[in-house]
Amino acid sequence: GAVVSQHPSWVICKSGTSVKIECRSLDFQATTMFWYRQFPKQSLMLMATSNEGSKATYEQGVEKDKFLINHASLTLSTLTVTSAHPEDSSFYICSARDLRGGYNEQFFGPGTRLTVL
Amino acid sequence: LAKTTQPISMDSYEGQEVNITCSHNNIATNDYITWYQQFPSQGPRFIIQGYKTKVTNEVASLFIPADRKSSTLSLPRVSLSDTAVYYCLVGALNTPLVFGKGTRLSVIA
Repeated sequence: GAVVSQHPSWVICKSGTSVKIECRSLDFQATTMFWYRQFPKQSLMLMATSNEGSKATYEQGVEKDKFLINHASLTLSTLTVTSAHPEDSSFYICSARDLRGGYNEQFFGPGTRLTVL
Repeated sequence: LAKTTQPISMDSYEGQEVNITCSHNNIATNDYITWYQQFPSQGPRFIIQGYKTKVTNEVASLFIPADRKSSTLSLPRVSLSDTAVYYCLVGALNTPLVFGKGTRLSVIA
């Protein structure tokens, strides 16, 4: 099956610093990638959708200047949390989909746990 | 308005069949029904997807009545390793998955 990886799997940073999370589709080309955030004991919340080579589309309430998303290639998307604060501490999960050829399953990465001190 | 409604939690003994029902009264013609499983601190994993009637794969079955306003995920003979959160999602195939609250299944020895 298709594999999506994330790096790092966990990160601890100081308040005010920026953190970059990478998401890669390892064995397929992802025309669309998604970023989700999940707080403890809660469901996944969609943050943004990005198509390769285009600007990301952010969900209502998600600050695009704080959560920078780049989808520069068909296998890589990055999420940068700028000037992170403790309230940004969460589990960030990326997902990828390849619509070409009619295959519609959305594959999820293992997640990145961000802790901001 | 929530697209899906499912029980918050369920308990089951090992070896039993577990049925989790999801209500989606406002399902649209283009919407498919998809179920995902999530273990703690991991990304969700695809279980099964269907549009109508019954779909079966190696891990589960999905039953969808004719009016499509609900669906039931059936897990045969669950084991302790099936303890997880199960999400029912409804949406068109080319739209991002939007997660509801999910059902926390606890399998007891």
